[in-house]
Amino acid sequence: GAGVSQTPSNKVTEKGKYVELRCDPISGHTALYWYRQSLGQGPEFLIYFQGTGAADDSGLPNDRFFAVRPEGSVSTLKIQRTERGDSAVYLCASSLTESGGEQFFGPGTRLTVL
Amino acid sequence: GQQLNQSPQSMFIQEGEDVSMNCTSSSIFNTWLWYKQDPGEGPVLLIALYKAGELTSNGRLTAQFGITRKDSFLNISASIPSDVGIYFCAGRSNYQLIWGAGTKLIIKP
Repeated sequence: GAGVSQTPSNKVTEKGKYVELRCDPISGHTALYWYRQSLGQGPEFLIYFQGTGAADDSGLPNDRFFAVRPEGSVSTLKIQRTERGDSAVYLCASSLTESGGEQFFGPGTRLTVL
Repeated sequence: GQQLNQSPQSMFIQEGEDVSMNCTSSSIFNTWLWYKQDPGEGPVLLIALYKAGELTSNGRLTAQFGITRKDSFLNISASIPSDVGIYFCAGRSNYQLIWGAGTKLIIKP
């Protein structure tokens, strides 16, 4: 497709479980970003990839969160031992390069931890 | 995390009215962005501002990059029902976007 896609659109899991959230960026975009958005707030930065490498993971809240982008396109955000406080909408965005072109967002994955 | 100060938090207006919202920051940004987010969707870019003092329009939307580089406003003229949603400002420094908490626009029937 032409835009950023994210799967699943909704994920309900139980406390303590492991989840994976997938992001397909716009074709040709080398930069990819993950954000987390809580109700009534703007998105908060989690991690940024330039190509295959995580150039900045300073926004990841703790070591239960990890993200990969092995081939420089699709990215997966992984959350271990989920907690109720992890419930939020996880947004992915991509841009042509890190400094050229603005970020375009996917529809998000709504994660609910029971 | 750090957020911009965006106001108002919400607006109830009549169809056809003009709308104004703004964002301020204690930090300087090189780029100011305005996004709109509909329920269940990701933010969609409306206007990007790259130069202090810049005034840019996109249809009925007009936005300005403050001369101090610490603020921006967005105006919507002659609002229509499809304008409802949440509007976010964001300041960009290199690749990082710092966001406001959003302005929820509600149009009274």
